[in-house]
Amino acid sequence: NAGVTQTPKFRILKIGQSMTLQCTQDMNHNYMYWYRQDPGMGLKLIYYSVGAGITDKGEVPNGYNVSRSTTEDFPLRLELAAPSQTSVYFCASSYFRLNTGELFFGEGSRLTVL
Amino acid sequence: KQEVTQIPAALSVPEGENLVLNCSFTDSAIYNLQWFRQDPGKGLTSLLLIQSSQREQTSGRLNASLDKSSGRSTLYIAASQPGDSATYLCAVKVRETSGSRLTFGEGTQLTVNP
Repeated sequence: NAGVTQTPKFRILKIGQSMTLQCTQDMNHNYMYWYRQDPGMGLKLIYYSVGAGITDKGEVPNGYNVSRSTTEDFPLRLELAAPSQTSVYFCASSYFRLNTGELFFGEGSRLTVL
Repeated sequence: KQEVTQIPAALSVPEGENLVLNCSFTDSAIYNLQWFRQDPGKGLTSLLLIQSSQREQTSGRLNASLDKSSGRSTLYIAASQPGDSATYLCAVKVRETSGSRLTFGEGTQLTVNP
């Protein structure tokens, strides 16, 4: 009963390095999302996808890229990491049909950029 | 642009007390509203999902209500327990041109004292 799985759980990057946060779900959900959560703040949407091959920007997309080649996977790429990208990143998925769609979250990936 | 506000930001109550958490949103054209619980260092767990056509949902000691016309939702927790201590977030799903997305409030940090 895996649900939404994110890797890695923790990572420290140097300024200018790149990395990919992995996210996979086994619930055959069509919608997938990447959020970031900064201390004491709500979640901000980075990118989302409504199905394989389709992605769109959220509120805070700058410095990130995504792809959705399969229904299950939705990796988030950080290019040229900056200290402002220090945050906790959450991947989520839902099955959107009309106005339904409970959202399921992964455990989060804590990223520090030094 | 949809904005979601949660009041209070923090709440501390003695064990056994009934309590209400508030969530307000600016645009009433929502698909649904979802309440989540987040424990420190963990991901978000869905508690209740209320569709736009519904007035309330119940699960155990939790009851969530929705009043779209006034842009408000409340989460009622009966007979609170120390295990209820966590941050509670509400999120509304709104229609976008290429899909739908959730907008989150900043959360209410609840502490239930033994």
